[in-house]
Amino acid sequence: EAGVTQFPSHSVIEKGQTVTLRCDPISGHDNLYWYRRVMGKEIKFLLHFVKESKQDESGMPNNRFLAERTGGTYSTLKVQPAELEDSGVYFCASSRDMGALNTEAFFGQGTRLTVV
Amino acid sequence: AQSVTQLDSQVPVFEEAPVELRCNYSSSVSVYLFWYVQYPNQGLQLLLKYLSGSTLVESINGFEAEFNKSQTSFHLRKPSVHISDTAEYFCAVSDLEGGSEKLVFGKGTKLTVNP
Repeated sequence: EAGVTQFPSHSVIEKGQTVTLRCDPISGHDNLYWYRRVMGKEIKFLLHFVKESKQDESGMPNNRFLAERTGGTYSTLKVQPAELEDSGVYFCASSRDMGALNTEAFFGQGTRLTVV
Repeated sequence: AQSVTQLDSQVPVFEEAPVELRCNYSSSVSVYLFWYVQYPNQGLQLLLKYLSGSTLVESINGFEAEFNKSQTSFHLRKPSVHISDTAEYFCAVSDLEGGSEKLVFGKGTKLTVNP
């Protein structure tokens, strides 16, 4: 079974540009999460999809971030326009059932975003 | 809101020495607790978890953690570490605010095992 896959693994963009991160969850996993780790700080929750619906987007930092999960399969996270403080590692995770904490959440390798 | 404190950002140890990575959480209500590990150039992997029952939980590679409700701690221990245990370790707690279950992480502890 393939794991959670994230593309790209690294991205370096200039301030003001747009970047789109992609996450392919494990097949059959309804729950998809985005987390972010800014350098030296905690890994922080951004949002949670159940299938194609946003269950909780309380962690999204501002309206420059847009997440989608069309068809309930892969998800994209777009940052437009990117700012310096958006630099960090963006993790995606998926789990099979609601109540991810009773089932394991599987994480991808992350996308390292650097805004210069 | 939940919070997790990992006091040690870096822990260097020699091979075959014991190690303890400390984790304290803020919640006074029932929680689920987790340790995740990130090996170099890999994603986060679940190491072990406490959901209920026995307060001592173990991983398949010799780590163990003990849930201590009175001290709100979930420290990770291993009696004898290997070079291959070099990684970053994250403690996490469940959070049910906002209508979904999600994880609140500590800042991580980098464990470096030296020969």
